[in-house]
Amino acid sequence: AQSVTQPDIHITVSEGASLELRCNYSYGATPYLFWYVQSPGQGLQLLLKYFSGDTLVQGIKGFEAEFKRSQSSFNLRKPSVHWSDAAEYFCAVGARDAGGTSYGKLTFGQGTILTVHP
Amino acid sequence: EAQVTQNPRYLITVTGKKLTVTCSQNMNHEYMSWYRQDPGLGLRQIYYSMNVEVTDKGDVPEGYKVSRKEKRNFPLILESPSPNQTSLYFCATSRQGSYNEQFFGPGTRLTVL
Repeated sequence: AQSVTQPDIHITVSEGASLELRCNYSYGATPYLFWYVQSPGQGLQLLLKYFSGDTLVQGIKGFEAEFKRSQSSFNLRKPSVHWSDAAEYFCAVGARDAGGTSYGKLTFGQGTILTVHP
Repeated sequence: EAQVTQNPRYLITVTGKKLTVTCSQNMNHEYMSWYRQDPGLGLRQIYYSMNVEVTDKGDVPEGYKVSRKEKRNFPLILESPSPNQTSLYFCATSRQGSYNEQFFGPGTRLTVL
């Protein structure tokens, strides 16, 4: 079964500093990978996704993520954090059954809470 | 506008009182899911549906029921809610062949006293 680990429960950065949120996954085949953001009291918004091809993917709000198969990682990065980026971030892997059929399920990591200091 | 709607958005109830949380989508997606979100645990899938009349258990199905009589609707039923079902619930939809990309509803905050 697939699994996702976000090692950092809480990260604090200063506004304008760079950011990297870690995500490690466990999955036997090529994964479908996602990063979602949840602002306080809000639903989940898709930041970016990886299906195949270029391992560096660009998302909304200036975020990017790099898929590294050898490290089973999909870390999220942003070169300069804004106060509005304070939120909880979730990494997720798309699940498929043994035959490779997708059935619309995501397995999520535990989430990383980002605090931004002025 | 493409959207997933949930009702109610907030609900406080008492142990044992049956309740239903509705979910509706206008994107004609085949797949629909229910997740619950708890601090430190991320989101966990409760039930999912691949199409009308086709449903199956997710990772944490105990205490919940679902039905899919129409493609656009996927209600979540708690026949006898208990305090450990206090949580934030999300409905999500996905198009077949879309690599599991999920579109989420706004969430329902449920408190069971």
